[in-house]
Amino acid sequence: SQTIHQWPATLVQPVGSPLSLECTVEGTSNPNLYWYRQAAGRGLQLLFYSVGIGQISSEVPQNLSASRPQDRQFILSSKKLLLSDSGFYLCAWRGLARDEQYFGPGTRLTVT
Amino acid sequence: GQNIDQPTEMTATEGAIVQINCTYQTSGFNGLFWYQQHAGEAPTFLSYNVLDGLEEKGRFSSFLSRSKGYSYLLLKELQMKDSASYLCAVEDGGGSYIPTFGRGTSLIVHP
Repeated sequence: SQTIHQWPATLVQPVGSPLSLECTVEGTSNPNLYWYRQAAGRGLQLLFYSVGIGQISSEVPQNLSASRPQDRQFILSSKKLLLSDSGFYLCAWRGLARDEQYFGPGTRLTVT
Repeated sequence: GQNIDQPTEMTATEGAIVQINCTYQTSGFNGLFWYQQHAGEAPTFLSYNVLDGLEEKGRFSSFLSRSKGYSYLLLKELQMKDSASYLCAVEDGGGSYIPTFGRGTSLIVHP
């Protein structure tokens, strides 16, 4: 069965500091991978998605970036965090059958 | 673009049946997801509808009408643990497989 991991689970970072969140998937090959953000009291916002290694599409222009160095690894980064970057960051994967999409446990980021 | 509409909040009684509606307007259609999200946790996949009709999975069922841009999630024999937010997400056409999420419906189950 497929498993998706995210770390860290919680993170408190000062404004202006860098960020690196990692997501890895086990038990599947060539998944579609997604980064979402959920701000307090708001819906899920798609940030990036990837259909393969090195292929990244950005949905929202901002100070975040994403990379996919390996088939089952998806990384979300920032060089300088803003207060507005606080939120619940969720990685999701989707297999070739496309009929299911699963989320990782998420990283709760607080920028102070 | 997409416009997805769900009620903000619903309340129901333990043991009852509740129907959570989702209406959408999209340019084309690939599929519609339903997720359950408990407070502070990640969303949990419930269903994915592509064709019209009702799909049943235990106490949860999901219905889709593509011509009407309408779906509902039906929860039977409600339990206290069903108190959660229920998210509707729609994929438009074009083969991009990128679901857009509604704001979610907060369901409160009372004893």
